[in-house]
Amino acid sequence: KAGVTQTPRYLIKTRGQQVTLSCSPISGHRSVSWYQQTPGQGLQFLFEYFSETQRNKGNFPGRFSGRQFSNSRSEMNVSTLELGDSALYLCASSPISGSAGELFFGEGSRLTVL
Amino acid sequence: GQSLEQPSEVTAVEGAIVQINCTYQTSGFYGLSWYQQHDGGAPTFLSYNGLDGLEETGRFSSFLSRSDSYGYLLLQELQMKDSASYFCAVDNYGQNFVFGPGTRLSVLP
Repeated sequence: KAGVTQTPRYLIKTRGQQVTLSCSPISGHRSVSWYQQTPGQGLQFLFEYFSETQRNKGNFPGRFSGRQFSNSRSEMNVSTLELGDSALYLCASSPISGSAGELFFGEGSRLTVL
Repeated sequence: GQSLEQPSEVTAVEGAIVQINCTYQTSGFYGLSWYQQHDGGAPTFLSYNGLDGLEETGRFSSFLSRSDSYGYLLLQELQMKDSASYFCAVDNYGQNFVFGPGTRLSVLP
């Protein structure tokens, strides 16, 4: 069974640009969540989607958005990039929300904002 | 809200036993999970405690005491490949996972 796939793995943007990151969950998993990982803040929850609906949202500005498609694939978008948005963005999937404490993570998309 | 605390770094030698603690302040949660992350890699699930007590999975064990707001991950027979960061996380009633800051484990030969 293929794992969680995130694309692109690395990208460099400049301030003010926007970026779209993609996540393909494990087949059959309907819950997809996104986390931002930085050295100073650790893993911070962005949002969670289940059956194309955003069910939960973390404490991030409106520049961060996402969506989920009918095949459970998910995208997140960050507009008007700031230097502080440089981070590893991790996508995680699970069969249902909070499935016995286990999330399956992708290897992440490392975003550098110059 | 939820907040978790872990030691930032732990060092041990090959073959030894190490315990990584996680203390938390929460309004309640379903359970406590542990994840391992090697540099440049994805976090991978290690263990979950939905109930108080000890869960054992091979060389790894995890413990939870809700009355003490405390949990730990115990790694036995340490190997060099165990050098990684370890995160505890609480399942916030299925809404999201709140992660601790992580503990960097260095295993020395």
